[in-house]
Amino acid sequence: ELKVEQNPLFLSMQEGKNYTIYCNYSTTSDRLYWYRQDPGKSLESLFVLLSNGAVKQEGRLMASLDTKARLSTLHITAAVHDLSATYFCAVDGASGTYKYIFGTGTRLKVLA
Amino acid sequence: DAGITQSPRHKVTETGTPVTLRCHQTENHRYMYWYRQDPGHGLRLIHYSYGVKDTDKGEVSDGYSVSRSKTEDFLLTLESATSSQTSVYFCAISPLEGSPYNEQFFGPGTRLTVL
Repeated sequence: ELKVEQNPLFLSMQEGKNYTIYCNYSTTSDRLYWYRQDPGKSLESLFVLLSNGAVKQEGRLMASLDTKARLSTLHITAAVHDLSATYFCAVDGASGTYKYIFGTGTRLKVLA
Repeated sequence: DAGITQSPRHKVTETGTPVTLRCHQTENHRYMYWYRQDPGHGLRLIHYSYGVKDTDKGEVSDGYSVSRSKTEDFLLTLESATSSQTSVYFCAISPLEGSPYNEQFFGPGTRLTVL
């Protein structure tokens, strides 16, 4: 059974600081996704990581994928208040099924 | 933004009543999904569809049924709602098979409360 674990579950950080959110998954998967969710809103796609060593960056967020370690990271650089949200990673459940398994999410709060 | 709408957006109902939630897309995507979101559980897949009249179960399908008679509409039915089905329900769509990204795009959500 594929499991996806994120840590930390909650993260409170000061503006200007750097931090990393971790996403571990239990079986082989070709693709990993990161989403952002603001309170009371839907999920917004941030990154799609397709291969080992993939790295993508958008503004202060950078995501990477290590398929051998079954680990993805979402790095936050010089956090700002607008990054406060819940971040989810998701993994394709099995090749050809197109079903995601989501992590439980990391609630990030950036303090001014 | 992907053209996905959900209706209703909010619903309060009583235990034992039937409830149907609708997801409508304008993207002509083949795959459609229903998830529920609960605190501490992230999103969990209820059912999904890979074409008209083609559906399959997800990890939390008990108590739910789905139907897809048209490409653009995917219905989720709670035959007899229970309080444990109080949740936020999200519909998602994904492009045609063969896309390297298989990215899912999410609708605005439906908040369902079962009293």
